Amino acid sequence: EADIYQTPRYLVIGTGKKITLECSQTMGHDKMYWYQQDPGMELHLIHYSYGVNSTEKGDLSSESTVSRIRTEHFPLTLESARPSHTSQYLCASSESTREQYFGPGTRLTVT
Amino acid sequence: AQSVTQLGSHVSVSEGALVLLRCNYSSSVPPYLFWYVQYPNQGLQLLLKYTSAATLVKGINGFEAEFKKSETSFHLTKPSAHMSDAAEYFCAVSYNAGNMLTFGGGTRLMVKP
Repeated sequence: EADIYQTPRYLVIGTGKKITLECSQTMGHDKMYWYQQDPGMELHLIHYSYGVNSTEKGDLSSESTVSRIRTEHFPLTLESARPSHTSQYLCASSESTREQYFGPGTRLTVT
Repeated sequence: AQSVTQLGSHVSVSEGALVLLRCNYSSSVPPYLFWYVQYPNQGLQLLLKYTSAATLVKGINGFEAEFKKSETSFHLTKPSAHMSDAAEYFCAVSYNAGNMLTFGGGTRLMVKP
């Protein structure tokens, strides 16, 4: 079973601030993903990575950016947070067995 | 493009009753299928997965799902609901080697005492 961590779990921040949501996994998985999920709603893929120095945009357009400098680390950055960015952000990783393992999520509120 | 449909965004059952959550997928090739559960303010936890072995798949917490190719369905069942089963359930499908998942819209299961 994969161990995947996200920090912070909850974040309340003012408009215009730069934020970075952290995601780390300890299982050496090559593939990692970021999803955005509004309360009670479906998940939307916003970024994914197949390995170090590989990042791609997902199905849902997002103003966030990601980086993958180390296998275990896949941070997501918002340069200037806006109220429309208020949502839950879920990080996941996977290996050859197809299923994705999810972190606990970061609930972001932009005021 | 692949898609997953979960019929019923909300399902309510009494404690001890049968749980049936429906999932249909669109595909011309056999997919990999998954059910995930999400408790409030948490990430998704894998309940079970279908990977073209046995058509009846048993998962955690007493849940199971049956893959029916003729019906393109992968419904999730549990014989007897428990209060702790109240959560959001997501069906997902994977078609490619990149392990990309397409999720259904989710079904909120409510369990009445």
